[in-house]
Amino acid sequence: EDQVTQSPEALRLQEGESSSLNCSYTVSGLRGLFWYRQDPGKGPEFLFTLYSAGEEKEKERLKATLTKKESFLHITAPKPEDSATYLCAVHGSSNTGKLIFGQGTTLQVKP
Amino acid sequence: ETGVTQSPTHLIKTRGQQVTLRCSSQSGHNTVSWYQQALGQGPQFIFQYYREEENGRGNFPPRFSGLQFPNYSSELNVNALELDDSALYLCASSLLSGGGPGEQFFGPGTRLTVL
Repeated sequence: EDQVTQSPEALRLQEGESSSLNCSYTVSGLRGLFWYRQDPGKGPEFLFTLYSAGEEKEKERLKATLTKKESFLHITAPKPEDSATYLCAVHGSSNTGKLIFGQGTTLQVKP
Repeated sequence: ETGVTQSPTHLIKTRGQQVTLRCSSQSGHNTVSWYQQALGQGPQFIFQYYREEENGRGNFPPRFSGLQFPNYSSELNVNALELDDSALYLCASSLLSGGGPGEQFFGPGTRLTVL
């Protein structure tokens, strides 16, 4: 069964303190791994798509990487406005557009 | 470019009632997916619509049903509401093509409370 696990569940950082969020996945036939940012009470905001092991994508202070078993979201010198829940999702082997989400990592960046 | 919109923003219903949630997809997209997100959890796939037909369904009972219209907008209907149906309901649109499923872009969600 396709599955996604994110760790840690919650992360507190000081402004400027870099760190990484982990997304471990089990899927037969990965057709895409997605990172989203979600602010409280709002819909997820698309960040990145990764398709194959070794691929990397960057956007401002965020960098996403992918291996055959996991993905990392690296946050460099975070600011308080980076505080949010970060969700990881995979497109598995089904022919539908079903996304399988992890439970998310809630990041708090203190000034 | 218009993003994904959903209505209403918030809704309060009582157990046993029926509810209809609406979604307008992003321009240029032909596929709509619906997700349920309980507090503190990741979204759970309900179903997807492509070309006005259901194109996959998650582990949800038949009282969850949907429609897609020719303009690619969509409705989610839930009958016989239960307390556990209280959640944020998210609509996502995407472009399904020969290259496979594309990125899904989410709307702001509808917060449903069942009393």
